Amino acid sequence: EAQVTQNPRYLITVTGKKLTVTCSQNMNHEYMSWYRQDPGLGLRQIYYSMNVEVTDKGDVPEGYKVSRKEKRNFPLILESPSPNQTSLYFCASSLSGFSDQPQHFGDGTRLSIL
Amino acid sequence: DAKTTQPTSMDCAEGRAANLPCNHSTISGNEYVYWYRQIHSQGPQYIIHGLKNNETNEMASLIITEDRKSSTLILPHATLRDTAVYYCIVRVGGAQKLVFGQGTRLTINP
Repeated sequence: EAQVTQNPRYLITVTGKKLTVTCSQNMNHEYMSWYRQDPGLGLRQIYYSMNVEVTDKGDVPEGYKVSRKEKRNFPLILESPSPNQTSLYFCASSLSGFSDQPQHFGDGTRLSIL
Repeated sequence: DAKTTQPTSMDCAEGRAANLPCNHSTISGNEYVYWYRQIHSQGPQYIIHGLKNNETNEMASLIITEDRKSSTLILPHATLRDTAVYYCIVRVGGAQKLVFGQGTRLTINP
């Protein structure tokens, strides 16, 4: 089944403890992206990757890192998490980053930073 | 990206067609109209998209007016599982990201 898989689905952790949220897709998509969703603010893009080894900042990249060493994986790294990064996170992928290609989303990761 | 306007909420009876409107009066010629939905806090689910022509797939139909200033998403036979927030997004040609607004909360009633 074609899908975008995120892990973990839920995580409660403490300020300053490095964490990684993994994202994997099995559709051979070139484009991948991370969004966060907060009440009243909608979904906002954190980082995106047009292809392997190509990443770029979205609208809210502060406090996050990403890497794209393989086509299928696009992990989101919080090196020193803070409470304002408590949010619902979604990974998305599409065949390409162009506007005629729909993005497909994972089920989400709910992070709570205490 | 062009701004979209959607009703905040709508109700529809189960088994009836749900027609969700979206205004995008400032849309440009190379901008696509996308529809997604989000059920509870699940990941947004792609429904359909189009540029100029009406589109239909297994989930829904998208009707775009001739002047492209508005569109309607049609769920032909709504079920309780179609209760969700529906987002109409106008995406500029070449743009890599999706910009989600507040959407329409659609409630399907038994």
